[in-house]
Amino acid sequence: SQTIHQWPATLVQPVGSPLSLECTVEGTSNPNLYWYRQAAGRGLQLLFYSVGIGQISSEVPQNLSASRPQDRQFILSSKKLLLSDSGFYLCASLTDYGGYTFGSGTRLTVV
Amino acid sequence: GQNIDQPTEMTATEGAIVQINCTYQTSGFNGLFWYQQHAGEAPTFLSYNVLDGLEEKGRFSSFLSRSKGYSYLLLKELQMKDSASYLCAVRGRSGGSYIPTFGRGTSLIVHP
Repeated sequence: SQTIHQWPATLVQPVGSPLSLECTVEGTSNPNLYWYRQAAGRGLQLLFYSVGIGQISSEVPQNLSASRPQDRQFILSSKKLLLSDSGFYLCASLTDYGGYTFGSGTRLTVV
Repeated sequence: GQNIDQPTEMTATEGAIVQINCTYQTSGFNGLFWYQQHAGEAPTFLSYNVLDGLEEKGRFSSFLSRSKGYSYLLLKELQMKDSASYLCAVRGRSGGSYIPTFGRGTSLIVHP
């Protein structure tokens, strides 16, 4: 079965600082990968998805970017964080049974 | 685009049965999912419906009617640990891919 590793679990960053969140997947090859953000009391907002190395699709215009340098690695980045970037960031992977499995998430607070 | 609607909050009594409804609009329907999310944690998979009908898994069942754009999650023999947010998600076509869109979730409170 698939396992998704995300780190760090918690992050506090000042406004204007850069961001890099990493997600790695075990137990599968060439997975479809997704980055979601969940603001407090809100639903999951799809930010980016990737169907393969170097292939990134953006769902929402923002100051975030994503990259997929390796088959099982998905990175979410920002050059300059905004207060509105605060939230719970989740990486997800499409599984063999058709559903999605999530990493444990990173709670980002921009101050 | 895709639109998903589910109640914001529900309450129920331990040992009872609760049904959480979800209505959706999507193009290129390719599956409906239910997830459970406890506060501060990642969502965990509960069920997946792609054809009409009822899927049963222990105390949890999920129903789908594609013609009505409707699903429900049924929780039986409620336990205190079932207090959580329940997310309905629909996979539909976006551009050349199938993308999952999540509803805002239904916060279920189970009381003694």
